[in-house]
Amino acid sequence: QKEVEQNSGPLSVPEGAIASLNCTYSDRGSQSFFWYRQYSGKSPELIMFIYSNGDKEDGRFTAQLNKASQYVSLLIRDSQPSDSATYLCAAGGRRALTFGSGTRLQVQP
Amino acid sequence: EPEVTQTPSHQVTQMGQEVILRCVPISNHLYFYWYRQILGQKVEFLVSFYNNEISEKSEIFDDQFSVERPDGSNFTLKIRSTKLEDSAMYFCASGETLAGDSYEQYFGPGTRLTVT
Repeated sequence: QKEVEQNSGPLSVPEGAIASLNCTYSDRGSQSFFWYRQYSGKSPELIMFIYSNGDKEDGRFTAQLNKASQYVSLLIRDSQPSDSATYLCAAGGRRALTFGSGTRLQVQP
Repeated sequence: EPEVTQTPSHQVTQMGQEVILRCVPISNHLYFYWYRQILGQKVEFLVSFYNNEISEKSEIFDDQFSVERPDGSNFTLKIRSTKLEDSAMYFCASGETLAGDSYEQYFGPGTRLTVT
């Protein structure tokens, strides 16, 4: 059974702070890892992807992958109230993704 | 920027009826997917489709479900005899170009299916 685990939160951070979101996955065969942002009632929006161990930065977002520990994280720098959403971690390959239940992030103005 | 589109945005049907959910994937993408999300729950994989055949399917995707690419642009999910538990948001996604160097999946806005 392929599982992706995330802390459901809510994670509350003040505006301008760094938000740190984490997930672990069970399937060692997973090749690709994604972070999606989902606002209430909306579809998942892809914000970051990472395929290799290490860090990947894109603007205010940094994704980190450690395949040995089966661990993926997302850092959001200079958090804004508009970042308040549920962040979904997903793992898999080109055929299918397994999603975690999401971490709800609240950025306090 | 190209995006995945889905119709209808909301479908209400009676238990036992057939429904067809429609999607137009991003035009140069090769893989197409259906996922569903029951209210308050995880996004769940249903099926992936590549080169005009099913690539992978989950346990949820039983004989009541089928997918089709009836022409060069549309991708459909059919539920033959809907049950109350089929009520969910259904997301279509697409991904991967001929370059084959990425696995990103881009989601459409979803169809909310309500079975009464």
